Amino acid sequence: EIVMTQSPATLSVSPGERATLSCRASQSVSSNLAWYQQKPGQAPRLLIYGASTRATGIPARFSGSGSGTEFTLTISSLQSEDFAVYYCQQYNNWPLYTFGQGTKLEIK
Amino acid sequence: EVQLVESGGGLIQPGGSLRLSCAASGFTVSSNYMSWVRQAPGKGLEWVSVIYSGGSTYYADSVKGRFTISRDNSKNTLYLQMNSLRAEDTAVYYCARENRDYGDFRGFDPWGQGTLVTVSS
Repeated sequence: EIVMTQSPATLSVSPGERATLSCRASQSVSSNLAWYQQKPGQAPRLLIYGASTRATGIPARFSGSGSGTEFTLTISSLQSEDFAVYYCQQYNNWPLYTFGQGTKLEIK
Repeated sequence: EVQLVESGGGLIQPGGSLRLSCAASGFTVSSNYMSWVRQAPGKGLEWVSVIYSGGSTYYADSVKGRFTISRDNSKNTLYLQMNSLRAEDTAVYYCARENRDYGDFRGFDPWGQGTLVTVSS
């Protein structure tokens, strides 16, 4: 099983500032990585796939980068609606998909 | 509008059975790869099972032999039959469509709103 590890567990950032979230895979997943956003009481929402391709309707302030085992989700200028939990997911070993444990992005 | 709506969750005793449903609209379940993903209270996401458009099915080791994924094409609905339930199966269960472009995975989208399964005596 490919283990996905996200850091930090909690990230405190002020509105308008940049947030950088990390995701590490226990073995290479190439660029087969997606990012999701989840708000309390809601289902996850797809943000990024292919490590860097924004899903339909996702604002340009969200960007993804990385390949192999190291990945980053960057939110360039935080809006109030961006404070949520973010999950990475590998699909290199499909269909045995695995998710990271999540990073909670909170208001500083 | 593309939409998924789950139902069937509830409180069930350990060892019991439950069947979850996921009704789709705006697209055809049988033409897509469809997954179940669960989330234990306060925890992260765990992929549970997938059914391919061709009918092949796969399961996470944690549910293999106890859960069965299926679909009813006439009702455009996905199911998850859960048997021999354990306390650790307590979670919100989401159904989700795999977005695919020429066969390449493009993320889970959309997701249903989820249905809560609580396994407790």
